[in-house]
Amino acid sequence: DIQMTQSPSTLSASVGDRVTITCRANYSLNSYLAWYQQKPGKAPKLLIYKASKLESGVPSRFSGSGSGTEFTLTISSLHPDDSATYHCHQYSSYSTFGQGTKVEIK
Amino acid sequence: QITLKESGPTLVKPTQTLTLTCTVSGFSLSSSGVGVGWIRQPPGKALEWLALIYWDDDKRYSPSLKSRLSITKDTSENQVVLTMTNMDPVDTATYYCAYRGVKAYPYWGQGTLVTVSS
Repeated sequence: DIQMTQSPSTLSASVGDRVTITCRANYSLNSYLAWYQQKPGKAPKLLIYKASKLESGVPSRFSGSGSGTEFTLTISSLHPDDSATYHCHQYSSYSTFGQGTKVEIK
Repeated sequence: QITLKESGPTLVKPTQTLTLTCTVSGFSLSSSGVGVGWIRQPPGKALEWLALIYWDDDKRYSPSLKSRLSITKDTSENQVVLTMTNMDPVDTATYYCAYRGVKAYPYWGQGTLVTVSS
C-alpha cells in the first residue's frame, strides 16, 4: 500500500502570507498526485492534478510542485477565502489520501 | 454538466449491510476512460478511498476493506452501487461518490451521512 504523510496538520497564517503544505509518499507516484480544498460541510474541490496542473477555474495563487515521493502545494498570497482543509491524494496505485491540513487565517 | 448524487439510508444498525447508490448525469458510465469511485470521511477525520469501477467494469477496492465491499454499475440507469457488509459504528461517515477521469476526481457528489448505531 502507498502511504501518504501530509504536514503540517494545521497552520495559521495572515492574509497575504505564502503558505506551503507538503505530502510525502513511501513509493514513487510518477506525478499522480492531486490536491483538494474542502470547506466545512462541503465536498472536496480539485485544485491541482498530475502534481502541478492547475484545474480550470482555480485561482493562479495556487500551485503544485514535486515529483517522485515529495510534493508541495503552495498558496502564493493567502486570501480570506482560502480558510479550509487541504488534502493530498495519490492516484498512482489505487488511491490514498493524506491526513489533511487545516489552514486558518490569523 | 457532470453531476453525481448519493442516496441511501442515513441510519443502519451494527452488523447490517449498507447499500448506497450514486446516480450520475452529464456523462455515460460506458465512456472510455471513465470511472466512478467512492470515498468516505468520518466526522472530523481524513478522507478514505473505498472503491472504484471503470467503464469496462474493471473494479478496484481498498485493500483494508476489500472483504466487505462490492461495487457495481448499471449503465442504463446511470447508477453505481456500493455495498458494505457487517457495518460497525466506526463506519459512521459521510460517503461521497466521485467521477474519476485523467484529472483524478474533478467532480464529487454532495455526500451522504451514514450513522451506524443500534
